[in-house]
Amino acid sequence: DTAVSQTPKYLVTQMGNDKSIKCEQNLGHDTMYWYKQDSKKFLKIMFSYNNKELIINETVPNRFSPKSPDKAHLNLHINSLELGDSAVYFCASSRTVSYNSPLHFGNGTRLTVT
Amino acid sequence: KQEVTQIPAALSVPEGENLVLNCSFTDSAIYNLQWFRQDPGKGLTSLLLIQSSQREQTSGRLNASLDKSSGRSTLYIAASQPGDSATYLCAVVNYGQNFVFGPGTRLSVLP
Repeated sequence: DTAVSQTPKYLVTQMGNDKSIKCEQNLGHDTMYWYKQDSKKFLKIMFSYNNKELIINETVPNRFSPKSPDKAHLNLHINSLELGDSAVYFCASSRTVSYNSPLHFGNGTRLTVT
Repeated sequence: KQEVTQIPAALSVPEGENLVLNCSFTDSAIYNLQWFRQDPGKGLTSLLLIQSSQREQTSGRLNASLDKSSGRSTLYIAASQPGDSATYLCAVVNYGQNFVFGPGTRLSVLP
């Protein structure tokens, strides 16, 4: 069974569109994250949720809105997509926010904005 | 602001060699450090997590060390195999913050 699963795996869309990426974890973890990996392969945190509550919101345009209906799900909605949003987006989870819990990653969603 | 660097950026070795990957961080007040591998088109797989109170962790052919005072960690891979080919990333976390990742070392192990 996949521990952290994201859909879709690939997403190609035009500028100005609105799209969503879904993430689910079956590990029973309390904390979930969204990371962005750009073309230079740098991985940066975007958001972090603990038990459905937002705890980290890095400097991300407000076109990006995370939603956590329950602690097993963290979805990412992106409005008015721009060319610079093209990247691979990774969902991750950890048991707690105690910082001693290993991160578990999904396989990523490759977003291409044309 | 925490910054993480990794040297070398890429490494190619023949099968069977022992190798060392390096990770450096600027703020030594870390809570823990984690090593990951990333295969092409895949997510990251956690390899080892070293808590700030520890000096090393071992898993099979992998050994990670941590020297907080100097802001360094190394990942030692013994008897490398072609299946070890991947990008290896280190990440550190300071208390109250999120993991900060290095840019990774791309490893190729040649048969």
